[in-house]
Amino acid sequence: DAGITQSPRHKVTETGTPVTLRCHQTENHRYMYWYRQDPGHGLRLIHYSYGVKDTDKGEVSDGYSVSRSKTEDFLLTLESATSSQTSVYFCAISLNNEQFFGPGTRLTVL
Amino acid sequence: GENVEQHPSTLSVQEGDSAVIKCTYSDSASNYFPWYKQELGKRPQLIIDIRSNVGEKKDQRIAVTLNKTAKHFSLHITETQPEDSAVYFCAPSMEYGNKLVFGAGTILRVKS
Repeated sequence: DAGITQSPRHKVTETGTPVTLRCHQTENHRYMYWYRQDPGHGLRLIHYSYGVKDTDKGEVSDGYSVSRSKTEDFLLTLESATSSQTSVYFCAISLNNEQFFGPGTRLTVL
Repeated sequence: GENVEQHPSTLSVQEGDSAVIKCTYSDSASNYFPWYKQELGKRPQLIIDIRSNVGEKKDQRIAVTLNKTAKHFSLHITETQPEDSAVYFCAPSMEYGNKLVFGAGTILRVKS
């Protein structure tokens, strides 16, 4: 599993509340990614990071922000959650082209 | 940016039959072509990949073929088994570009 964990694994929240998802890796990988997975859309890139304090937007970044203050942690924040952000969120690292995914976080916004 | 399409979106085969999933892409600069498998409730995992200097690669019952001129590559699974039932994603990209664009996925069901 390339030493990747995500927390929380499940979360139910209400529209308008802030939510932060955490991705933690133990092997000092430089590249980290946040994806969301929805039926019929595959995995869509939200934000990614090339290193500490070095982040960039993916294809579906609206409504999301990220931070990476330490190599091992990549945080995804929904400033004001909406029902359209109900999804499964995967964190990933990249090693020699291969992406290794975390176990996923199932987020439900009511 | 890269535009990726997978066909079919769902595929049902009888156990022992072969399955083929095709991925078309738009960026002629792409030179790395992986396939990921995601079992129900699990995370995606790489099962096979190919680089543009190779036309075909095999690993036991799975193979990937590449047609760079036509900008498509395909996943071939022979002698399918129930454990091959999963969602399969292609993700063409630039090698070492470290940013993948995934197809929408193909649901493969193997009936025993």
